[in-house]
Amino acid sequence: ETGVTQSPTHLIKTRGQQVTLRCSSQSGHNTVSWYQQALGQGPQFIFQYYREEENGRGNFPPRFSGLQFPNYSSELNVNALELDDSALYLCASSLGSGGYADTQYFGPGTRLTVL
Amino acid sequence: ILNVEQSPQSLHVQEGDSTNFTCSFPSSNFYALHWYRWETAKSPEALFVMTLNGDEKKKGRISATLNTKEGYSYLYIKGSQPEDSATYLCAFPPTGANNLFFGTGTRLTVIP
Repeated sequence: ETGVTQSPTHLIKTRGQQVTLRCSSQSGHNTVSWYQQALGQGPQFIFQYYREEENGRGNFPPRFSGLQFPNYSSELNVNALELDDSALYLCASSLGSGGYADTQYFGPGTRLTVL
Repeated sequence: ILNVEQSPQSLHVQEGDSTNFTCSFPSSNFYALHWYRWETAKSPEALFVMTLNGDEKKKGRISATLNTKEGYSYLYIKGSQPEDSATYLCAFPPTGANNLFFGTGTRLTVIP
């Protein structure tokens, strides 16, 4: 059991709406990363936060934004939802500061469907 | 262009068989290679993080090897069991940070 939880499990939204997904990292894990997994693909890196500051970003538009809180929780916000945003969203926490050899511990994901 | 290829995409094996699959990644600017096991409806589970050429890691019946010069890693499962059925993902950080670039995985089904 990784100890990383995500809510909600499933979510249905319509185009143009905004959504907030939540993640609770393992205690003591200062780094959280978010990934998007579209159907048939591997998880794709969205961004990473370390001690509440963005610490790296993948090839996603600014309407994808995040927050990390001191209590090891974090949020992924997506504005102006598009049909292609339908995917499984995973968060992962790690103990270190985001180093390339840090093990990432994943949550079970939130399945977002945009209609 | 970043590319991680995993092969085969899927395979079915009988319980007790041993199996292996491949992860190919860019060999230039190598930092690390991560392996994950992802069972349906569960969280991806970290198996190994490998950083050195020639690394060999083992966890129970699962082991992995790494060749950074030619850009591949093999994952081996000895004596497959039904509980080994999962998608096995490899990932590498294209920069010195921890933003992992994943392959599409190998889906293993072990038939009792």
